[in-house]
Amino acid sequence: VQLVQSGAEVKKPGESLKISCKASGYSFTNYWISWVRQMPGKGLEWMGRIDPSDSYANYGPSFQGHVTISADRSTSTAYLLWSSLKASDTAIYYCAREGVTVTGPPFDPWGQGTLVTVSS
Amino acid sequence: EIVLTQSPATLSLSPGERATLSCRASQNIYNYLAWYQQKPGQAPRLLIYDASNRATGIPARFSGSGSGTDFTLTISSLEPEDVAVYYCQQRSNWPPITFGQGTRLEIK
Repeated sequence: VQLVQSGAEVKKPGESLKISCKASGYSFTNYWISWVRQMPGKGLEWMGRIDPSDSYANYGPSFQGHVTISADRSTSTAYLLWSSLKASDTAIYYCAREGVTVTGPPFDPWGQGTLVTVSS
Repeated sequence: EIVLTQSPATLSLSPGERATLSCRASQNIYNYLAWYQQKPGQAPRLLIYDASNRATGIPARFSGSGSGTDFTLTISSLEPEDVAVYYCQQRSNWPPITFGQGTRLEIK
């Protein structure tokens, strides 16, 4: 089981961005994919998740309306999309496979992380 | 939103010592609590789920306990490679899923 994320990005404020998380080694539609932000020197923040079986996503209150989570079942890949980046979006973004029941292993495994730097 | 408060913020111990990390929830989360380890420059790794179940491949020196609002992660005998930040996480009541602010473990 492995999640491999796309590479580091450097963008300007106002630009759009889509980063990816490719899953392998398991049935992509049997688990959710969550995204987690880690700002420089800070802790972990849950952004939202997607159910790849029906592409239904839900978001944390701090991220609703600012990012979009999507998934492509044909390539077993989840995405995190920004339409207009801000400098405050500078962070490492992790994807994680999430169990669909409240019991059992929650976020396991994690991707290696994607560093997004937004600077003018 | 359920708030998780971890203590202490930083813990400095010697190899072979016992480490006790605490996580307190702002309301009852039953046993729906997980612990993660994040070593410098790495992604987080699942250690414990459902408060007391070790994840696959996690050494037996790591153990978890607690239920309701008070939880503990214990490392029975510290190894140098245990240097990391440890986070607790709840999925009892979402959205949002929440994490504690982390405990930094240093080895003297």
